[in-house]
Amino acid sequence: DIQMTQSPSSLSASIRERVTITCRASENVRTNLQWYQQKPGKAPKLLIYDASTSQSGVPSRFSGGGSGTDFTLTISSLQPEDVATYYCQQSYSTPQTFGQGTKLEIK
Amino acid sequence: QVQLVQSGAEVKKPGASVKVSCQTSGYTFTSYSIHWVRQAPGQGLEWMGWLNPGNSHTRYSQKFQDRVTMTWDTSANTAYMELSSLRSEDTAVYYCGRDSGNWSPYEDYWGQGTLVTVSS
Repeated sequence: DIQMTQSPSSLSASIRERVTITCRASENVRTNLQWYQQKPGKAPKLLIYDASTSQSGVPSRFSGGGSGTDFTLTISSLQPEDVATYYCQQSYSTPQTFGQGTKLEIK
Repeated sequence: QVQLVQSGAEVKKPGASVKVSCQTSGYTFTSYSIHWVRQAPGQGLEWMGWLNPGNSHTRYSQKFQDRVTMTWDTSANTAYMELSSLRSEDTAVYYCGRDSGNWSPYEDYWGQGTLVTVSS
């Protein structure tokens, strides 16, 4: 199975700060990489698919990049409602696998 | 709008089975696969398998291959996931997710989750 490793595991940032989360795959997944946002007690929500394409309705402050083994999720200006845990997921090979999550809090 | 509504919380004893349902609406049920993903308390997301109601195919994660069965009822637009021989480590929230329909399989819409508690 492809291993997905996110960093950092937790992050505290100020409102309007730029935040970047990274995700590394144990092997090449091309651009078959998604980012999900999960708030406490809720289901995951798709933010970014195919590494850099924003899902409809997702605020423009969220963007994704990368290919191969190294990927990033960037929030250009952190808002209070962005407090959540973020997961990357590879869909290049079965089973799809997720990173361990990055918990984002407001400083 | 696309909606996936799951059945309610369950409490089961070790060794029992549980069957979780996922009723869909807002799209053509047979045109999209359904994934099942679980999340143990305080832990990350774990893919269990998926089913394709259009071509009747299923594929399970090797970890659950011997204990999971995924079925569906096209007339009810509903998918099911049954897990047998439950143990305490199966305590988790179980999610269904609709496949995006893109060439690589990932979930674009999710159910609200079903908490399954395994306890003697």
